[in-house]
Amino acid sequence: SAVISQKPSRDICQRGTSLTIQCQVDSQVTMMFWYRQQPGQSLTLIATANQGSEATYESGFVIDKFPISRPNLTFSTLTVSNMSPEDSSIYLCSVEAGDSYEQYFGPGTRLTVT
Amino acid sequence: AQSVTQLDSHVSVSEGTPVLLRCNYSSSYSPSLFWYVQHPNKGLQLLLKYTSAATLVKGINGFEAEFKKSETSFHLTKPSAHMSDAAEYFCVVSGGTGKLIFGQGTTLQVKP
Repeated sequence: SAVISQKPSRDICQRGTSLTIQCQVDSQVTMMFWYRQQPGQSLTLIATANQGSEATYESGFVIDKFPISRPNLTFSTLTVSNMSPEDSSIYLCSVEAGDSYEQYFGPGTRLTVT
Repeated sequence: AQSVTQLDSHVSVSEGTPVLLRCNYSSSYSPSLFWYVQHPNKGLQLLLKYTSAATLVKGINGFEAEFKKSETSFHLTKPSAHMSDAAEYFCVVSGGTGKLIFGQGTTLQVKP
C-alpha cells in the first residue's frame, strides 16, 4: 500500500480566490487522481495526472478551473481557481497501486468557500 | 460504460446482527470491483476487491463480498455488526485506464 498526505487538511476561503492543494506519496507512482466529494455526496473524478504529460479531465471539469501539476512521480497539486460557495467540498487525491486498479486515498482537504 | 448502483442509501442494523449492503454493477467487460469504507471525518479505506479470481472475496474487519455475474451483483456482508462498523460504504467499479466509478454510497447505522 501507499501512504499519502495532503496539505492543507482544511481551509476556509473567500469567493474569488484560489487554493492549491498538495498531494505527496511515499513511493513513486505512475498515475495520480483527483476527486471531489461534495457535501453528503459520493466521489467524482476530476482528473487523472500522469507525470510528464497534461492531466486528463473528466466531463464537467476544465483546466482553467482546476489546473493540475505533476512535476515528479511522488507529488501533485490541484488548484481550485476563482472559487465560489459551490466549490465547497472535500478534495481527495489517490494513487493506483498494485496490479488490479485498486487505489489508495489521501485523507482529503476539506474546503469551505464563503 | 461502467456503472454501479447501491440499492440502499441507508441501512440500520442492531449490534451483533448480520449486515447486507447491496450493489449492482454494469460493465461491458469483466470488471474489477471494490468496496471502500469512509468513517466520519476520515479518509477512504479499501475493504476488499474482486479481480476475476475467487468469486467470494474476504476483506478486512470480517467483511466479505460475493461476485455474481448472472445477477451483476457484488453485495457486501458481515455476519455480526459491531458499533465501529458505522460508516459510509461505497461500491466501486473500475472504468478502465485506472478510472474508478463510485456508487452513491450506503450509510450503515449500528444500533446498540
